[in-house]
Amino acid sequence: NAGVMQNPRHLVRRRGQEARLRCSPMKGHSHVYWYRQLPEEGLKFMVYLQKENIIDESGMPKERFSAEFPKEGPSILRIQQVVRGDSAAYFCASSPISDRVGRGYTFGSGTRLTVV
Amino acid sequence: SQKIEQNSEALNIQEGKTATLTCNYTNYSPAYLQWYRQDPGRGPVFLLLIRENEKEKRKERLKVTFDTTLKQSLFHITASQPADSATYLCALDVGANNLFFGTGTRLTVIP
Repeated sequence: NAGVMQNPRHLVRRRGQEARLRCSPMKGHSHVYWYRQLPEEGLKFMVYLQKENIIDESGMPKERFSAEFPKEGPSILRIQQVVRGDSAAYFCASSPISDRVGRGYTFGSGTRLTVV
Repeated sequence: SQKIEQNSEALNIQEGKTATLTCNYTNYSPAYLQWYRQDPGRGPVFLLLIRENEKEKRKERLKVTFDTTLKQSLFHITASQPADSATYLCALDVGANNLFFGTGTRLTVIP
């Protein structure tokens, strides 16, 4: 069981470029959550997805950010026209069912995005 | 909006002692609360979950309490070891399928 796989581990982008972050959930998990962690701040919820559906994107910035979880392949968090303020660690978590029943999440090791 | 305060950014403790970390929250009544461990450069690792109708939960050297009247959770590590050094995060269930995380307490266990 490989756990939640995120890639790349580190990503450097120049201002104005696009960043694509990938997350493969644990085998058998159909729910994916993206969180962002800014330096010295707590993890902030961004979006919750199931296969082919965005369930809750209340934490996503209104512009430049999008997420998908296709029927086949990993979940993708896409940031267009990156700015310095997007520099952060982005974590993906997965669960077998909705966390409303109160189970812990399994997190990946994150992607550290640096915008130069 | 919800607010979580975790006691002190950093806590140093002597090996073998009990470490006690505090999580206080306001403006919400969560159905459950979770504790995670995070090492530098790594993702959080789930440790324990405690529900609103539970007073205490244990797992090996870990113990969590949950006081919904005080709006507080305490996280204890007994017989602490240097390997327990990490940042510990508490997280509230705020519904809508997401967790609200505190900023964490960085624990250092001194040999």
